[in-house]
Amino acid sequence: EADIYQTPRYLVIGTGKKITLECSQTMGHDKMYWYQQDPGMELHLIHYSYGVNSTEKGDLSSESTVSRIRTEHFPLTLESARPSHTSQYLCASSALRGPQYFGPGTRLTVT
Amino acid sequence: AQTVTQSQPEMSVQEAETVTLSCTYDTSESDYYLFWYKQPPSRQMILVIRQEAYKQQNATENRFSVNFQKAAKSFSLKISDSQLGDAAMYFCAYRSPLTGNQFYFGTGTSLTVIP
Repeated sequence: EADIYQTPRYLVIGTGKKITLECSQTMGHDKMYWYQQDPGMELHLIHYSYGVNSTEKGDLSSESTVSRIRTEHFPLTLESARPSHTSQYLCASSALRGPQYFGPGTRLTVT
Repeated sequence: AQTVTQSQPEMSVQEAETVTLSCTYDTSESDYYLFWYKQPPSRQMILVIRQEAYKQQNATENRFSVNFQKAAKSFSLKISDSQLGDAAMYFCAYRSPLTGNQFYFGTGTSLTVIP
């Protein structure tokens, strides 16, 4: 079982608020990823990191930002939440070779 | 960029029967990884099975097996003796060891298991 954690699991927040979604893993993986996924739909890569102090934007344009100060921690921040940000956010990590392991996800609703 | 295609948005299978989910991909690389992931409704995405391109033998994990056809760039998932707990979205994924170790996912197949 993969050890990757996300908090909060569910979040309902008002428009304009700043939020940070937490993701941490205990597997020592260098590579970490954030995906946005509407229920039952495909995954969209929004950010990824190949190691400490390395972050890149993914394929889906996003108003979020990420940081990677520690190997195990990869938080995602929305400076000003909007209803269009309502979605599920999945964090994942991987080693140099092999699969990605996913966290349980954060389901975000912006009212 | 590599593309992964799952041409079956929805599939259904009778309990205890066998179903095959299809996946094709486009690549010019010779060394890569392929995966199938399962995402039950409102639950965590989990790895079902993996295949390394250099291995000719098809991977098998209990009731799950793949048919890996490298020349045809096809990677189908066979679920035998389907169970109600197999109902989920299934995603095919490709990992490139060359293009920055990016993962590419298909759009998913929603599997319904009929009791």
